[in-house]
Amino acid sequence: GQSLEQPSEVTAVEGAIVQINCTYQTSGFYGLSWYQQHDGGAPTFLSYNALDGLEETGRFSSFLSRSDSYGYLLLQELQMKDSASYFCAGGDDYKLSFGAGTTVTVRA
Amino acid sequence: DVKVTQSSRYLVKRTGEKVFLECVQDMDHENMFWYRQDPGLGLRLIYFSYDVKMKEKGDIPEGYSVSREKKERFSLILESASTNQTSMYLCASRGPHGYEQYFGPGTRLTVT
Repeated sequence: GQSLEQPSEVTAVEGAIVQINCTYQTSGFYGLSWYQQHDGGAPTFLSYNALDGLEETGRFSSFLSRSDSYGYLLLQELQMKDSASYFCAGGDDYKLSFGAGTTVTVRA
Repeated sequence: DVKVTQSSRYLVKRTGEKVFLECVQDMDHENMFWYRQDPGLGLRLIYFSYDVKMKEKGDIPEGYSVSREKKERFSLILESASTNQTSMYLCASRGPHGYEQYFGPGTRLTVT
């Protein structure tokens, strides 16, 4: 199985940059995924890193370093609608384990 | 767009009742998953299925069973509900070559 650790909460102002770190311990690891979940909503997929390095998708970027068992999600130009919980997830071909989630609160 | 639906958004059951949670996906995905989500614990995998009639235990299968008779439908069964099974239950599906899981809206189950 996997064990993934991430901070429980982060607060930032609109327009700021937030980095959510995720460290993991693995027994079989294919890659690191990130999901966003708004209050009362379903988790939705944001990004996936199979290889080391940075993946950029609009205002959001994700990074993976396998040698350090570490990744992060970078949220840029924060907007109020980015207030949500963010989960890192890692696993083998079928089983995903999720971190406990980071609640991001964006203030005006 | 992939659509994953769950039979109920809210459910209240009594201790000892048998509970069925249904999940249907419309994208012909082979892989389907059941998670429970609790505050501070994230999502924890209960069971998954990689094909019809195939199932595998996840990290917390105790007290649960599953059924997958048709490719599009994956059911979670609580044989005898207990109060510690009060939780949000999320179903997800994934294609054979993909890494993205698509989640349903969730069922908030309360066992009293």
